[in-house]
Amino acid sequence: QVQLQESGPGLVKPSETLSLTCTVSSGSISSYYWSWIRQPPGKGLEWIGYIYYSGSTNYNPSLKSRVTISVDTSKIRFSLRLSSVTAADTAVYYCARTSREWATIAGYYYYMDLWGKGTTVTVSS
Amino acid sequence: SSELTQDPSVSVALGQTVRITCQGDSLRSYYASWYQQKPGQAPVLVIYGKNKRPSGIPDRFSGSSSGNTASLTITGAQAEDEADYYCHSRDSSGNHLVFGGGTKLTVL
Repeated sequence: QVQLQESGPGLVKPSETLSLTCTVSSGSISSYYWSWIRQPPGKGLEWIGYIYYSGSTNYNPSLKSRVTISVDTSKIRFSLRLSSVTAADTAVYYCARTSREWATIAGYYYYMDLWGKGTTVTVSS
Repeated sequence: SSELTQDPSVSVALGQTVRITCQGDSLRSYYASWYQQKPGQAPVLVIYGKNKRPSGIPDRFSGSSSGNTASLTITGAQAEDEADYYCHSRDSSGNHLVFGGGTKLTVL
């Protein structure tokens, strides 16, 4: 059964770079998109971006200048880097397997069918 | 504010039917997906596409869409359905993904 596991520092200092990794166990990274999503304390979900297994990326415009998502297909993992963090970046960060399907009347649509348990990142000095 | 708008809270009596809605211009063009999130847990996909349920999701969950509104319906709500529900789709440009603000469902 495929599982996702986030890992990385739980505490990051302001202005530094947040780095997280998502490891895909018991499965393949091919033919899927792989997303990062975050949730500030007491707030809703925010899509950060995704990477296709081939390496193409798509980022939330509001974070694009600070975000890099990369994939390591040999190690079956993908990573998030978020630079110049502030307290507003404090959140639970989730990785998720993202599928894309075609609907004749609705074009391509996406959905996240498998999520990691999430990891809490606090930005504080 | 999100491009997908949800009511912040909805309540339903045990065993009754409840509809949770999500509004946005992009929903005229693209399907929404729906996620259930219980406190301290990761979201779980409950509905995607026209009205598809992942394996293990009870058939009391269903999805529909009309115009700029997508809906998640729970027919015969159970106590364990009390959770936050989020819709998700492509944004109005079609180029990125976006979540709704979430709806807190209370089962009375």
